This record gives sequence, C-alpha cells and structure tokens, in this order.
Amino acid sequence: EAQVTQNPRYLITVTGKKLTVTCSQNMNHEYMSWYRQDPGLGLRQIYYSMNVEVTDKGDVPEGYKVSRKEKRNFPLILESPSPNQTSLYFCASTGQGAYEQYFGPGTRLTVT
Amino acid sequence: AQSVTQPDIHITVSEGASLELRCNYSYGATPYLFWYVQSPGQGLQLLLKYFSGDTLVQGIKGFEAEFKRSQSSFNLRKPSVHWSDAAEYFCAVVSPQAYKLSFGAGTTVTVRA
Repeated sequence: EAQVTQNPRYLITVTGKKLTVTCSQNMNHEYMSWYRQDPGLGLRQIYYSMNVEVTDKGDVPEGYKVSRKEKRNFPLILESPSPNQTSLYFCASTGQGAYEQYFGPGTRLTVT
Repeated sequence: AQSVTQPDIHITVSEGASLELRCNYSYGATPYLFWYVQSPGQGLQLLLKYFSGDTLVQGIKGFEAEFKRSQSSFNLRKPSVHWSDAAEYFCAVVSPQAYKLSFGAGTTVTVRA
C-alpha cells in the first residue's frame, strides 16, 4: 500500500530535550516536506527536500533541522525543543512532475 | 508569493442542506489548486484538485469546486451535507517551481441534525 508513515504519532517532551520525528514514504517520491498545523493558521511549511541531499527552508524553519540521506526518509529534528513548538506535524511527499501531495497521519508534539 | 484566504472560520449547516466553502487565492501564474479535508483526529485527505481545463471539478464524497479566474476563487460545494461531513476543510495552492503547498487557515464545518 502506498503510504507516508510518521513516528511517533504522539510525543510529550520537556524543553531542551532533543527529539527526532521520522518520516518514510514507499512511493519512490523525489519531493518531501514537513508542515506544522496550528489553530487558525492552517498548515505552514517548515522544510522541504527536492531529492537526496537537497533540502531548503520553508516558511517557518526556525528551531528545526532536517536531513535527506535516503530517498524514502526525511526526519525532522528538534535540537532544543521549546513550548512554542507544541503543534501537530505532518510529513508529505510527491513525485517529480506531480503536484498532489500525500500526507502522513501526523505527529502531535507537546513540549512542556 | 502565493497565498490562500478562507474567509469563513466556522460554518454550521443542517444535515441535508447545501454547503459552500469559500476560497480566494493570490498567485501570479495559473494556479494549481486543491481542497483537503481533515476529520477530527485524522490526517489530510485530498477531496479534489484543479490544474487546468474544465473549471468545474468533481471530487470524492460528492464534493465539487469551481475555479473562477476573474474572481481568484476556488469555492467548494456539496448539494446535500451528511453528518459525516463535519470536519475542517483546507484550500491550498501549489507552486510548481518549489512544490510548496500554501494553505488557507481552514474552515470548520459543523453539521446539525
């Protein structure tokens, strides 16, 4: 089954404790992206990757890092999480020349 | 830069009544437009998309949307709403160059019996 998976689905952590949210897709898509969803703001792009080793900032990249060492994986790293990063995070992917993005199930992160 | 505006934060509609959700976009070239739905506690599901051609597009779950270039709008409609349509709806525009989706703030739909 074609899908985007994220882990963990739920995470509660404390300020400053490094964490990684994993994202994996099995569709051989070149393009992957991370979004955060906050009430009243919709979804905003954090980072995106056009292909392996090619990443760039989205609209709200501060406090986040990403890497793309393999085509299928695109982890989101929070080196020192803060309470304002409490949010619902979505990973998405799409193929070259296509524009429809496939979304993962989301990761709800709470930073206390 | 592209942007999307959804003027209605919350809409309440009776079951069986019609529904229309508004979406206005700002984009310099021909936009690629989407409507997504997010049911409570769920991820995002694509309802329909517009790239070119017929300006009235049909989607899943009985939804349709009409692209109007003169009004920079892409409104979503459903003739008869079911209780299961209660959800949050997002309009989005993609940048072909950057593969970036820009979302509106969303419209929450409540369906009353």
